[in-house]
Amino acid sequence: DGGITQSPKYLFRKEGQNVTLSCEQNLNHDAMYWYRQDPGQGLRLIYYSQIVNDFQKGDIAEGYSVSREKKESFPLTVTSAQKNPTAFYLCATRRLGENEQFFGPGTRLTVL
Amino acid sequence: QKEVEQDPGPLSVPEGAIVSLNCTYSNSAFQYFMWYRQYSRKGPELLMYTYSSGNKEDGRFTAQVDKSSKYISLFIRDSQPSDSATYLCALTLSNSGYALNFGKGTSLLVTP
Repeated sequence: DGGITQSPKYLFRKEGQNVTLSCEQNLNHDAMYWYRQDPGQGLRLIYYSQIVNDFQKGDIAEGYSVSREKKESFPLTVTSAQKNPTAFYLCATRRLGENEQFFGPGTRLTVL
Repeated sequence: QKEVEQDPGPLSVPEGAIVSLNCTYSNSAFQYFMWYRQYSRKGPELLMYTYSSGNKEDGRFTAQVDKSSKYISLFIRDSQPSDSATYLCALTLSNSGYALNFGKGTSLLVTP
């Protein structure tokens, strides 16, 4: 079954803790993206990667980190330096040579 | 000025109506244009993709781009209650890793 999986679906974190969100894809897409969505806001770009072992900061990268050790995986770590981490996090992928992006189901992070 | 402007609504229409959703943008360098549909607490689903001025039709959906006016539209014919969702316009260009720039989304309610 092809697609993009994000886990967990819901995540609760205490202030001061780091947490890692998973994004896995078996579409053989080259590029992967992380976006954040807040109520009443459009999606905003956190990080993206177009190739293994390389990634670029987006508009709101402060307080986040990523890695791209495998083509299939692009985990996002929300660090304690992120001042307002409660949001809906969305992962997307894109095939090289094409422009369309496809999204996973999202992870809702709540900081208690 | 935000790069992509989209009226958040909500927009309420009766079943069977023609729906018009719109976005304006300020950066004339944008090359590729997408419309996504997002149900509550779900990931966005790609509806339409286009890259040239003019119309593109797919079933009940028509995407329209006017690059000279920096204006894009999505028309939904014979709207159904299942079309009730938030509609997001997204624009991109090649020199940013094809990262998407989103409007805030328009909330649509189709009443039976």
